Amino acid sequence: DSGVTQTPKHLITATGQRVTLRCSPRSGDLSVYWYQQSLDQGLQFLIQYYNGEERAKGNILERFSAQQFPDLHSELNLSSLELGDSALYFCASSVDYNTEAFFGQGTRLTVV
Amino acid sequence: GDSVTQMEGPVTLSEEAFLTINCTYTATGYPSLFWYVQYPGEGLQLLLKATKADDKGSNKGFEATYRKETTSFHLEKGSVQVSDSAVYFCALSDMNYGQNFVFGPGTRLSVLP
Repeated sequence: DSGVTQTPKHLITATGQRVTLRCSPRSGDLSVYWYQQSLDQGLQFLIQYYNGEERAKGNILERFSAQQFPDLHSELNLSSLELGDSALYFCASSVDYNTEAFFGQGTRLTVV
Repeated sequence: GDSVTQMEGPVTLSEEAFLTINCTYTATGYPSLFWYVQYPGEGLQLLLKATKADDKGSNKGFEATYRKETTSFHLEKGSVQVSDSAVYFCALSDMNYGQNFVFGPGTRLSVLP
C-alpha cells in the first residue's frame, strides 16, 4: 500500500459527460501529480500541484482541469468526455520536487 | 526539455536468466533517477532510486548505477523469476529546473518458467 488513495477505482460513463476523480496523497506529501496511461501512449504527465498551487503542466487537454485543496487532496475534472479519454488515470504524491513519487492504484475510466 | 529513453521490448526471458533493461536520459540539470515497476492491474511502485552520480540503487535483487558520463541508469538483475514479469519504467526528476517526473515509455518483461 503506497498510502495514496484514489477514488473511484472504476468509472463507466457516456460520451459528453463530466466526471471527477479524487486523490488523497500520502500524509505529509505536498506535491500531487496526475498521469494518464493508455495502451497506445504510455504514461502521459497531465499536471502537478505543490502545496495548493499549480507547479507544472503537461499534455492536459482544455476539457480537463484539476485543483489541489487546502487539505492537499486533489481532484481531476474531465468534461465533454470522448471515447479516446478511456484510460487509467493515476495520481502520485511526493514530499518535494525530486523525491520519489508514490502512486495510487489508479482510476480506470471507460467512456462508452 | 528533459527526456528518458528506454528499450521498449517486450523482453522475454527464461527463469534464472540475466536481465538488463537499458535507460538513458537527457537533462539540463542534475536529476534524480528512478526505476518503477507496474505489475498487471496495479499502480506503479518505486523499485529503486539514485540521487547523484555513481550512486547505486538496489532492491529485491535489482540494481542500477547512476552513470553521469554516459547519462545512463540501466536496470539489472542476475536471476529473474516468473514473478518479475511486469512493466518497468525508468524516470527522472530534476528539481533544479522544476521538472515533474519524466517517464520513459516502459519495458514489458515476461519471464517464462
